[in-house]
Formats: sequence, structure tokens, C-alpha cells
Amino acid sequence: NAGVTQTPKFQVLKTGQSMTLQCAQDMNHEYMSWYRQDPGMGLRLIHYSVGAGITDQGEVPNGYNVSRSTTEDFPLRLLSAAPSQTSVYFCASSPDRGQRTEAFFGQGTRLTVV
Amino acid sequence: GENVEQHPSTLSVQEGDSAVIKCTYSDSASNYFPWYKQELGKGPQLIIDIRSNVGEKKDQRIAVTLNKTAKHFSLHITETQPEDSAVYFCAAPPWSSGYALNFGKGTSLLVTP
Repeated sequence: NAGVTQTPKFQVLKTGQSMTLQCAQDMNHEYMSWYRQDPGMGLRLIHYSVGAGITDQGEVPNGYNVSRSTTEDFPLRLLSAAPSQTSVYFCASSPDRGQRTEAFFGQGTRLTVV
Repeated sequence: GENVEQHPSTLSVQEGDSAVIKCTYSDSASNYFPWYKQELGKGPQLIIDIRSNVGEKKDQRIAVTLNKTAKHFSLHITETQPEDSAVYFCAAPPWSSGYALNFGKGTSLLVTP
């Protein structure tokens, strides 16, 4: 059971480039989310989805797009990368059991924008 | 939205001592309070959680206490071991954003032999 898989693990982008961070889960979880982690800032929510076809913004959504066409996949798109988006990105999923429960995190994608 | 404050930001203890990390939250409707451990180069992993209908929960050397009136909850690690060294995050879910979690800024725990 792979859990939550993020690709790539590392990426370097030039300012202005676009890219997609991939996230896939094989646990049939309804809820998925993206966080960014910066030193001293903890984990901040970028976007989340409560099911296929439904997405919403989190605390820091600017510069990022998401879509949820399937239950398994929740890609995060950087439209025009900026140095301020240098960060470690984590995808997480959790089952919708009518109450909050454990979130399972991927291993992270370390992104550097130069 | 939910505001989660976590203290201290760093904590150094000797092996065998206890460690306590405290968090406060602002949304009185929050009813689920997890703690995550993040080891270097890995994603956070749930170590214990508590719901608002209980005041304390234990799992071997770790325990979490919750005071809903004061809106704070704490992680207690007893008989610390070097492998407990990691970054610990508390979290609380703002009711308005589905299953999202607002995280504290983390506590870097170092257990020295």
C-alpha cells in the first residue's frame, strides 16, 4: 500500500516557469490538501478538496491552481513560479468518515525557484 | 479562521526527562486536536489525537491533555529517547473549512543522550 505519493521529490525552476506537482493516493480518501512548509512558519494550507470535482482555497492560495478530476489525484499547478514559492510542499489525504481523523502526508516536494 | 499558537519553538531535554509542548487555539467550535511528528526529510506523521469529548488520552510514553474552557492542549512525552528528536506540530481544524487543519509553527525537540 503506497499511501500518498508525491512527485517529483526535488525541483529547480526559473522565475516565470510553470510546473505541476503531482499527488496521488491509493486509499480511496475523499479529502485531499496541499500545504507548504517554510522555516519558522509551520505548515500552511494552500488548497484543499473534499471530493472529486470540488476544490477550495486555503490560507495561501495565490499563485497556485488545483483540480480534482479523480478521487486518487490532486495536482498542484504553479502558474508562473516566483522565488517566494521556494518551499517544501506536502500533499495530504484523509478519509471522510463524518468526523475529522488522521491525515496521511506524502514525503514532500522540495522546490527551489531561482 | 482558526489561529493555533505553539510553544516553545525549540526544546532540549536530556534522555529520560519529560518534554511538554503547549498549543492554544481560537475557534471554540474546534473539536479535534491532533499532534504530528516530522522527522528530517519526511512528511508529518500522526502520533496522537484527542477529541473534545475527552480531557486526556495516553499512548505508551505520549499523552495529550485538552482544556476546552481555556482553549489549550498539550503534548507530554515521558522517558524521552534520542529517537524522539524531531519537529512536533499541533493542529486544530477550523469548522468552516471542511477537513483542513491549521497547524502550529512547530517545536523542534532535541533529546540528548
